[in-house]
Amino acid sequence: GQQLNQSPQSMFIQEGEDVSMNCTSSSIFNTWLWYKQDPGEGPVLLIALYKAGELTSNGRLTAQFGITRKDSFLNISASIPSDVGIYFCAGLEYGNKLVFGAGTILRVKS
Amino acid sequence: DTGVSQDPRHKITKRGQNVTFRCDPISEHNRLYWYRQTLGQGPEFLTYFQNEAQLEKSRLLSDRFSAERPKGSFSTLEIQRTEQGDSAMYLCASSLALGGRGGGTDTQYFGPGTRLTVL
Repeated sequence: GQQLNQSPQSMFIQEGEDVSMNCTSSSIFNTWLWYKQDPGEGPVLLIALYKAGELTSNGRLTAQFGITRKDSFLNISASIPSDVGIYFCAGLEYGNKLVFGAGTILRVKS
Repeated sequence: DTGVSQDPRHKITKRGQNVTFRCDPISEHNRLYWYRQTLGQGPEFLTYFQNEAQLEKSRLLSDRFSAERPKGSFSTLEIQRTEQGDSAMYLCASSLALGGRGGGTDTQYFGPGTRLTVL
C-alpha cells in the first residue's frame, strides 16, 4: 500500500530557530495535509494543500505541495516552546482515506 | 465547542470483553472516518461513512469490528471479544465533501480520540 516517508524522525529546537521537515511518497496525491498532535490528543490540522506547486502560510507555518505531487514540506519560523509536539504529513487518496507518515517529533533543546 | 467529539476518552477493559466508542462529527459534515493509531505511528484508516452509508472498510477492520452511523450523524465503533493487540488510540474525523465519492477536497478534522487499553 501507500507509504509516506517523513523526515527527520525527530529534531531538537531552540527557541527562535527555524525548523524544516518534509514528506515524500512513492505515489501521487491530490491533497496534502499537515497536522500537529500533542500527547493524548487527536491531530490538529495546520495547513491543507490542494494544488501542485501551491505554497500556503498559516502564521509562522509555511507548507508547499511539491510540483511532482509526490512530496511536501513544512517550515516553522522563529520557533517557540509550544511548537513542541509530533507533526504528521498526510496524503489524501482517491476514496477519501488519509495516508499518514510516521511523524516528526519536535523537542526542545535543554 | 463545535469540533469533533469522542466518548469515552479512555477505556480500560479485560481481554474478551466488548467495547463501544461514540463519535459526534462537526454538525454540518457529511463524511465520518475512523482511524486507529498505535504508539510511534501515524493514524491508519479503518472505515468511512458518507451520510449513513459505509463506503469503505480497511483490511485492518477484522470481523470483530463493526461501525455504524444509523442516522447520518453520530457514529459508533464496536469491538467484540477484545484482544491485547486492539490496544490503541481510536480516532474519529469528519469532513464536508461537496463532490461524490472520491470527489471534493475532503479536509478531515479529528476528534481527541479514545485511548483503549486491553489487559
